[in-house]
Amino acid sequence: GAVVSQHPSRVICKSGTSVKIECRSLDFQATTMFWYRQFPKKSLMLMATSNEGSKATYEQGVEKDKFLINHASLTLSTLTVTSAHPEDSSFYICSAKGRTEAFFGQGTRLTVV
Amino acid sequence: GDSVTQMEGPVTLSEEAFLTINCTYTATGYPSLFWYVQYPGEGLQLLLKATKADDKGSNKGFEATYRKETTSFHLEKGSVQVSDSAVYFCALSEGAGANSKLTFGKGITLSVRP
Repeated sequence: GAVVSQHPSRVICKSGTSVKIECRSLDFQATTMFWYRQFPKKSLMLMATSNEGSKATYEQGVEKDKFLINHASLTLSTLTVTSAHPEDSSFYICSAKGRTEAFFGQGTRLTVV
Repeated sequence: GDSVTQMEGPVTLSEEAFLTINCTYTATGYPSLFWYVQYPGEGLQLLLKATKADDKGSNKGFEATYRKETTSFHLEKGSVQVSDSAVYFCALSEGAGANSKLTFGKGITLSVRP
């Protein structure tokens, strides 16, 4: 099946710094990518929908200026957590929409200390 | 809004036991329904899906039937294996467009012991 690569898989950063997470579709072009956040024992919560070449659509309650999303090409979307704080620590997962189904990255465990 | 409710976990079974994981949903329209599986250290993978009422999705011995009257999509397998140990997510999607979103349940961890 199609492969979506997410990098890094794990990152620890200091409070106040920014972290960039990359999501690549390796063998197909994805006009739409999704970014999710997963809390312990909670479902995946959709943060934003990213469309190639246009601004992302954020879900209610998600801060646009804090979670910057860029989808500059058909195979790459990035999520930047700006001025990270300990409460941003979480598991972030990206998904790329193929023709008939969505494919998911392996996820990124972010820990802010 | 749309929502998906899964039974509370975790679930621990012996190999060859029968598995049922309950999933019910709330949606305004006629959603497509999915089960995703996440093996340790990997991303979510589509396990099976059903796009309309009474459809049965099946894959790798797992089955789920889209029941509109009970708004359910329970996952079943007749004989589980150790390799089935993973986290299982029930999800729905309204519409088939490129921007159609997935709404997930909380996920349930299945552990199968030899």
